[in-house]
Amino acid sequence: DTGVSQDPRHKITKRGQNVTFRCDPISEHNRLYWYRQTLGQGPEFLTYFQNEAQLEKSRLLSDRFSAERPKGSFSTLEIQRTEQGDSAMYLCASSSRQGGTDTQYFGPGTRLTVL
Amino acid sequence: AQRVTQPEKLLSVFKGAPVELKCNYSYSGSPELFWYVQYSRQRLQLLLRHISRESIKGFTADLNKGETSFHLKKPFAQEEDSAMYYCALTPNFGNEKLTFGTGTRLTIIP
Repeated sequence: DTGVSQDPRHKITKRGQNVTFRCDPISEHNRLYWYRQTLGQGPEFLTYFQNEAQLEKSRLLSDRFSAERPKGSFSTLEIQRTEQGDSAMYLCASSSRQGGTDTQYFGPGTRLTVL
Repeated sequence: AQRVTQPEKLLSVFKGAPVELKCNYSYSGSPELFWYVQYSRQRLQLLLRHISRESIKGFTADLNKGETSFHLKKPFAQEEDSAMYYCALTPNFGNEKLTFGTGTRLTIIP
């Protein structure tokens, strides 16, 4: 296991198209997070799962965004009707609570460009 | 709502000089504070967390609740310290959501 992986690494799409990103967490990590990072900013929390349950969603996550983790393993993030403002790096992280603490391990990210 | 402020977007320091990256936070409860680092062409990774009270790669950070600060320090900078540094918090122990600052790009001048 080489860590959190994300696919694709880069995505260029036209405004109005739908896109889907995939995240594979570290094996046996029961928590999975999605963040978005725009230029010059730190990552911003979007949503997180514990196993297959989506436990929290940011108000940043509009109705056009949906995330799933159907079997408690990999997760997908879909953006419908993309807008230019959706252009960003989408980061996935996973963690497993041990000893009351929780270290999030990040993937390399998917860079989305909406033309 | 919680907030993390990193006042310096860019910081340049000569090799061998001391480094201090500033981080201030606002949160009414007892947050857990972190420093994450991103080296060139690498993924974001945890550098240290305040509850561990560890020194990682020569870096330390002390949580000052009175000043609501969590500054990152290193007495002697090395060239390999050049990277992007993010301060982050979770609202309480075991809470999952990380709130990040905007980051400081540290450049070590040889």
